[in-house]
Amino acid sequence: GAGVSQSPRYKVAKRGQDVALRCDPISGHVSLFWYQQALGQGPEFLTYFQNEAQLDKSGLPSDRFFAERPEGSVSTLKIQRTQQEDSAVYLCASSTQGGYGYTFGSGTRLTVV
Amino acid sequence: GQQLNQSPQSMFIQEGEDVSMNCTSSSIFNTWLWYKQDPGEGPVLLIALYKAGELTSNGRLTAQFGITRKDSFLNISASIPSDVGIYFCAGPNYGGSQGNLIFGKGTKLSVKP
Repeated sequence: GAGVSQSPRYKVAKRGQDVALRCDPISGHVSLFWYQQALGQGPEFLTYFQNEAQLDKSGLPSDRFFAERPEGSVSTLKIQRTQQEDSAVYLCASSTQGGYGYTFGSGTRLTVV
Repeated sequence: GQQLNQSPQSMFIQEGEDVSMNCTSSSIFNTWLWYKQDPGEGPVLLIALYKAGELTSNGRLTAQFGITRKDSFLNISASIPSDVGIYFCAGPNYGGSQGNLIFGKGTKLSVKP
């Protein structure tokens, strides 16, 4: 597609529920990133994929967070046993290899109640 | 660790005014990035700076890479209503992978009532 597509746009989860957030990067983009943006804050890095390889997961806040990109295209960020502090906008970005010209998606706003 | 401090936190603009904002850090950065985020959207890269002292323009936007490498500035000339949004500075998280960026908390531009 023309841009990075994320779904769903909005997700309300009850505390303790598992959620899965999807990212469709721009076709042919090798690199894919996930960021978390809390209200009133800048985005914070979660994880980075190059093709299907997860090269950096240093930003994942706990072992409840898991990301995958099995075929080097679509990626899923999964959060198990959601907590209120997980409420945030989750942004996905993709790019061709190298450089900083990432294209961000519009994000998924997760609200844990 | 690395942190980016943006000021001002928020400002009001009147159409036609020039706008200045800055970003400072206690540690050295070799790359400075400026993004704009509109409500409900992901950040969009405006300007990338790679060399101390560099001055780069993108239309009415001009950004400078401070010679100490610990700060950067963004100026908007002759502001228009569509300049409203949140402006973030960002830089690479050294010790992290490509794509592991640190963002400031943003400067929010609003229209003067």
